[in-house]
Amino acid sequence: DQQVKQNSPSLSVQEGRISILNCDYTNSMFDYFLWYKKYPAEGPTFLISISSIKDKNEDGRFTVFLNKSAKHLSLHIVPSQPGDSAVYFCAASAPGNKLVFGAGTILRVKS
Amino acid sequence: NAGVTQTPKFRVLKTGQSMTLLCAQDMNHEYMYWYRQDPGMGLRLIHYSVGEGTTAKGEVPDGYNVSRLKKQNFLLGLESAAPSQTSVYFCASSDRTGDNEKLFFGSGTQLSVL
Repeated sequence: DQQVKQNSPSLSVQEGRISILNCDYTNSMFDYFLWYKKYPAEGPTFLISISSIKDKNEDGRFTVFLNKSAKHLSLHIVPSQPGDSAVYFCAASAPGNKLVFGAGTILRVKS
Repeated sequence: NAGVTQTPKFRVLKTGQSMTLLCAQDMNHEYMYWYRQDPGMGLRLIHYSVGEGTTAKGEVPDGYNVSRLKKQNFLLGLESAAPSQTSVYFCASSDRTGDNEKLFFGSGTQLSVL
């Protein structure tokens, strides 16, 4: 039973438009959430995170939104660039426990 | 600035063969991890270590063993490889400052078991 779900295997967006990647979770004990980005033949790299005490965190073109009541978080990329094309993993952790990852969403930004 | 280095990058094994994957980090991190990535499954934790000389089981530990004899190295062993262990393996490390677990990953090892 997957505790962290990324229901969209892939997403295609035009350059300059907004990309929205979604993630749902089932464990109400999760209190810290992260997004990782992965290019082919490379390891995942940390992108942005959010604590459960916040509902939004912004870093340049990347914003993560957390809706605790819906157990949902999303990553917004504005504007999207071709270099953003990658696999994006959502991850979550509860106190004292290890990170749990979603299955990933492949983002393709078309120029 | 190496970060986390994994060797080898690719390996093909026959069923029943053994091998060891090596992970080295130069960031003086206390925590090290081994994950496997499979299509539609995301990253699943195999084993981890909270410091030199310690190891612990993750979500999918069966068929694997690990050792952390030195702080900078974390070895993953397959004693008798099975086709189900065909996967991409990632090593990661973290300094575990506070409760926020930001991981630094290596570039991965593509393993095929025939």
